[in-house]
Amino acid sequence: EDQVTQSPEALRLQEGESSSLNCSYTVSGLRGLFWYRQDPGKGPEFLFTLYSAGEEKEKERLKATLTKKESFLHITAPKPEDSATYLCAVQAVYNTDKLIFGTGTRLQVFP
Amino acid sequence: GAVVSQHPSWVICKSGTSVKIECRSLDFQATTMFWYRQFPKQSLMLMATSNEGSKATYEQGVEKDKFLINHASLTLSTLTVTSAHPEDSSFYICSARDVGTVGLFFGSGTQLSVL
Repeated sequence: EDQVTQSPEALRLQEGESSSLNCSYTVSGLRGLFWYRQDPGKGPEFLFTLYSAGEEKEKERLKATLTKKESFLHITAPKPEDSATYLCAVQAVYNTDKLIFGTGTRLQVFP
Repeated sequence: GAVVSQHPSWVICKSGTSVKIECRSLDFQATTMFWYRQFPKQSLMLMATSNEGSKATYEQGVEKDKFLINHASLTLSTLTVTSAHPEDSSFYICSARDVGTVGLFFGSGTQLSVL
């Protein structure tokens, strides 16, 4: 069964304290892995798509990496405005219409 | 990136009434749109896939007679929650894919509260 597991469930960081969020996945043929940011009461905001192991993408303080079993979202020197829930989702080759989401990591960055 | 507009942002209704939620792709045509449901601190769960000009495809366990989906044009899909009950209270989110892209773009969501 295709599955996405994110850890930790919640993360509290001091401003400037770098850390990483984990997304472990099991899928029968990976088409793409997606990272989204979701603020309370809002829809997910697209961040990155990764397609193959070894791929990396960066955007400001965020960097996403991918292996055959997991993806990491590295946050460098976070700021309070980075506080949000970060969602990971996978798309299988056999069903490109469906995204399978993890439950997310709730990140809080304190000044 | 592509913009998906969802309306209303929140709605409160009485038990037994019906509620319609609209999802529009503002700057692209979306032959396929998707409807998700999210409970507090839980993952997004796909409810149905909406195809322009044809019947929606519902995920297992989703009542198609309760959650009516209409995708009448390339830029508009609607979700109607019929005879709503308190257990239908949830955060509903639509999404759409721009032609030629892999990722999905999401609307801002609708918080439904059924009293």
